[in-house]
Amino acid sequence: KAGVTQTPRYLIKTRGQQVTLSCSPISGHRSVSWYQQTPGQGLQFLFEYFSETQRNKGNFPGRFSGRQFSNSRSEMNVSTLELGDSALYLCASSIGTSGGASINEQFFGPGTRLTVL
Amino acid sequence: GEDVEQSPFLSVREGDSSVINCTYTDSSSTYLYWYKQEPGAGLQLLTYIFSNMDMKQDQRLTVLLNKKDKHLSLRIADTQTGDSAIYFCAGGAGGKLIFGQGTELSVKP
Repeated sequence: KAGVTQTPRYLIKTRGQQVTLSCSPISGHRSVSWYQQTPGQGLQFLFEYFSETQRNKGNFPGRFSGRQFSNSRSEMNVSTLELGDSALYLCASSIGTSGGASINEQFFGPGTRLTVL
Repeated sequence: GEDVEQSPFLSVREGDSSVINCTYTDSSSTYLYWYKQEPGAGLQLLTYIFSNMDMKQDQRLTVLLNKKDKHLSLRIADTQTGDSAIYFCAGGAGGKLIFGQGTELSVKP
């Protein structure tokens, strides 16, 4: 099975621009989660999508948004970029079973490194 | 909200055991996880433990969970230079994981 893929791998933008990142989950996985990784704040949860609906959301401003398509592929968008948005953005996919005793193992992609100048 | 704490650095000699520690505040996680991140790479799930267990062994890896103290540890036996990486503990439910800041493990030959 192919792993989680993220495109693009590297991106350079300037302040005020917007950006769209893409994530293709492992075949059969219905849940996609997004995380932001920075040296100062570490790994922070952005949001999770399951069956085209946002199921969980972290504490990020409304400039950060996402969506999921019927084939489970997901995109996240950041509008009005700020210098502090420079980070590695990781996406993870899982089968998506929620709760109970079943582990919902998340498989991570390699990330998109966004640099805002 | 949930907080997960880890020491930032650990240095060991090749062949020794490494113990990476983690404390967490939220007891509602069904599973607790250990992830590994090598330079320039995403996260790789190393092992996990169900919250009702005290210990889990998986080849060179041993996870200990002290629920009373909310303390989780990862022991790597016979540490090799290839184990040099950043290790994250994480808790949470469903598709939302809360990560510690990571422990950078340096293995000296």
